[in-house]
Order: sequence, then C-alpha cells, then structure tokens
Amino acid sequence: AQRVTQPEKLLSVFKGAPVELKCNYSYSGSPELFWYVQYSRQRLQLLLRHISRESIKGFTADLNKGETSFHLKKPFAQEEDSAMYYCALSRNRDDKIIFGKGTRLHILP
Amino acid sequence: ETGVTQSPTHLIKTRGQQVTLRCSSQSGHNTVSWYQQALGQGPQFIFQYYREEENGRGNFPPRFSGLQFPNYSSELNVNALELDDSALYLCASSCGGRASTDTQYFGPGTRLTVL
Repeated sequence: AQRVTQPEKLLSVFKGAPVELKCNYSYSGSPELFWYVQYSRQRLQLLLRHISRESIKGFTADLNKGETSFHLKKPFAQEEDSAMYYCALSRNRDDKIIFGKGTRLHILP
Repeated sequence: ETGVTQSPTHLIKTRGQQVTLRCSSQSGHNTVSWYQQALGQGPQFIFQYYREEENGRGNFPPRFSGLQFPNYSSELNVNALELDDSALYLCASSCGGRASTDTQYFGPGTRLTVL
C-alpha cells in the first residue's frame, strides 16, 4: 500500500537559517507528490506539486525517485513560514490523495 | 468568488447516533472530496463526488455515505457513530472533473466529538 512518512513531528529553525522538511514515500510506480500547508487559524492549502516544478514562497521540492523522497526546502526561513506542513501522494491523476501525518515548523526569532 | 464553507463548526453526538455534515463548494466547482482528520494525523480520504456521483472511495466502511446536489453542495452522513469517529471532517472542492489531484480548496472543517 502507498504510504507517506514525515519523520519529524516538530522542526524548530532559527529565522534566516535553511529549512528542510523531510518526506519519504512508498510506491513502486511514478506518483504525483504535493506539499500542503496550514497556517495558524487558516485552512489547509496546496503549497506546491512536483509536476509544476515551481517555487512558492521561496520553497522548492525535488522528487528523488531513487530515495523515494520529496523533501521541502527553503534557503532562508522567515517567521511567517511557521505552520503545519503535510506531504501528500497520489498514484495518478485520477486517484485519491494520501497525506502524511505532518510536520509542525516553528521559526524561532 | 466565495470559498468553501462547512456546517456546523462543532458537533457533539453519542455513540450509535447518526450525523450529517454539510459542505458548500466554491463557486463553479463540480468536484468535492471529504476527509477525516484525527488528532495528530494527516487528512484521510473518505470519498469524492463528481457531478453527483461517487468517484472514488477510501478505506471507510459503508456507514460513511455521501451526497452531492445539483448545486454542487454536498453532505457526509455517518451512521452508527463510534468513538473513533471523533475527528475533524474536511471537505475540499475542485473544478478538475474526475481528476482528484487538481487543486483542491479546503473548507474550515467540522469538529465531531462522539461520546
């Protein structure tokens, strides 16, 4: 079965330091991968998806099929990045989305 | 453009009861997905509706059922409530047709507590 693992429940990073939120997945095919974010008192929203290869709010994520990983990175953390981040996977365009348990990112001043 | 709304915000039920949760999709969206999010967990896919028909289902028993209406609002019904049904229930709408991975817009959720 497909699975998404986010090994860190909480990640604390100082403002201005690099951020890396880890995500590993288990699926033998070529999945679609996503990062969702939920800021305090806001709704869950899509941050980025790997097929778009875009950078949103300074975040990027590269799909590494060899390591089955899709880590989220940002070179310089900002206080407004504090939020809950969920990595998610879909087997194909028509399939359900499977979420990881999430990592809470806390940016320290 | 109005966003996704859900009602009620909070709900308390007792074991064995039935509950109906409601979702109003974002304007122009014809697809709605429902998720269950237990405390400390990520959202878990329950099912999706596209143009009033179920279009995919997760690993949930038949006592979880849904409806989508012509105006694309929808309901999630849960029968014979169990304690483990206590969770935040999220709906998300999209305009991607049968594709579940087109950008989904989430509602604020309904917090269900089963006593």
